Amino acid sequence: DGGITQSPKYLFRKEGQNVTLSCEQNLNHDAMYWYRQDPGQGLRLIYYSQIVNDFQKGDIAEGYSVSREKKESFPLTVTSAQKNPTAFYLCASASPSNYGYTFGSGTRLTVV
Amino acid sequence: AQSVAQPEDQVNVAEGNPLTVKCTYSVSGNPYLFWYVQYPNRGLQFLLKYITGDNLVKGSYGFEAEFNKSQTSFHLKKPSALVSDSALYFCAVRDKDTGRRALTFGSGTRLQVQP
Repeated sequence: DGGITQSPKYLFRKEGQNVTLSCEQNLNHDAMYWYRQDPGQGLRLIYYSQIVNDFQKGDIAEGYSVSREKKESFPLTVTSAQKNPTAFYLCASASPSNYGYTFGSGTRLTVV
Repeated sequence: AQSVAQPEDQVNVAEGNPLTVKCTYSVSGNPYLFWYVQYPNRGLQFLLKYITGDNLVKGSYGFEAEFNKSQTSFHLKKPSALVSDSALYFCAVRDKDTGRRALTFGSGTRLQVQP
């Protein structure tokens, strides 16, 4: 089955540690996106990539980093510079002909 | 800049009654518009989209939405609500006339359908 996979589903991090969230897709989509979801605030765009080896900052990129070395993969690193990292993180992908997104099932990150 | 407003945090409706979830948008060019639904601790599922053409768009699970350019609205509707429709609904927009394909989402509306 084609789809988009996020792992892990739940992640706990100590303050001051970096952590990397995985996002893999086998849909042959060229564009991939990371969003952060907080209660009452909807989804906010962190980073996006429209082609391999290229990515752009979204609206809340501070404290995050990404890479896009392969078309299938778009990992997100939450660094220690992110002051309030506890949130639900969603990855999505899209093809030029589809206009909309396919979403992964999300990773819930909790800082302990 | 593009933005979406969902003015209602929550909508309550009785099963069998019609439902409406409101959405207004702002883009500098022409819009692509979307509705997604989210169940607890899950990703978002696509419901329907407006790209071009007929202003009334039909989607999954009996939902539909009407694009109204003059009112910059894209309200989600269903003639007869089911308890299983209870979920969090998001409206999203993308400006057709820019190279940026990222969607901007509203804050979400929680739909509660009472039996």
